[in-house]
Amino acid sequence: DAGVTQSPTHLIKTRGQQVTLRCSPISGHKSVSWYQQVLGQGPQFIFQYYEKEERGRGNFPDRFSARQFPNYSSELNVNALLLGDSALYLCASSHSGWGLQETQYFGPGTRLLVL
Amino acid sequence: AQSVSQHNHHVILSEAASLELGCNYSYGGTVNLFWYVQYPGQHLQLLLKYFSGDPLVKGIKGFEAEFIKSKFSFNLRKPSVQWSDTAEYFCAVNRMDSNYQLIWGAGTKLIIKP
Repeated sequence: DAGVTQSPTHLIKTRGQQVTLRCSPISGHKSVSWYQQVLGQGPQFIFQYYEKEERGRGNFPDRFSARQFPNYSSELNVNALLLGDSALYLCASSHSGWGLQETQYFGPGTRLLVL
Repeated sequence: AQSVSQHNHHVILSEAASLELGCNYSYGGTVNLFWYVQYPGQHLQLLLKYFSGDPLVKGIKGFEAEFIKSKFSFNLRKPSVQWSDTAEYFCAVNRMDSNYQLIWGAGTKLIIKP
């Protein structure tokens, strides 16, 4: 089975622009989570979606939004990019994303550089 | 504040040395505990996880971790490291009252000298 896939792998944007990142979960997984990993730090939770509904949101500004499609793939949108948005954006999928015994599986990430 | 602490940000060892990486969390109640590894140029991979039962869990590539509830710790160990273990290691925790969101430590960069 294919793992979690993300596109694009790398992206360069300028301040003020908007960006859309895409994620396809492992087949059979219905939950997708997004994380931001700044260089030298652990991932920070941004969003979790399950069955097209937002299940959780981390401490990120409203410039960050996401959605999940009927095929369980997901998009993360970031508006009005700031230099500080430069990071590796990780997508993780799990069966339901709910419950203590869920395990999340990660994609390779999209590296975003904001100039 | 809720947090996961990894005390060693950088560790350098020689091949065949023993490894222990510390992880402490600041939550009470029921938690799941995870160690993930990120090899150079690769994505995060699950090394091992603790849900319940035997507090000593074994993962891939000879790694193991021990959950000590009284110390809020989940330290990662390997008796004899190899050069290929060079990577960044992350401890993560989730809990029911944070909607099962994974809370991560800052990571430990492990360099194994051949």
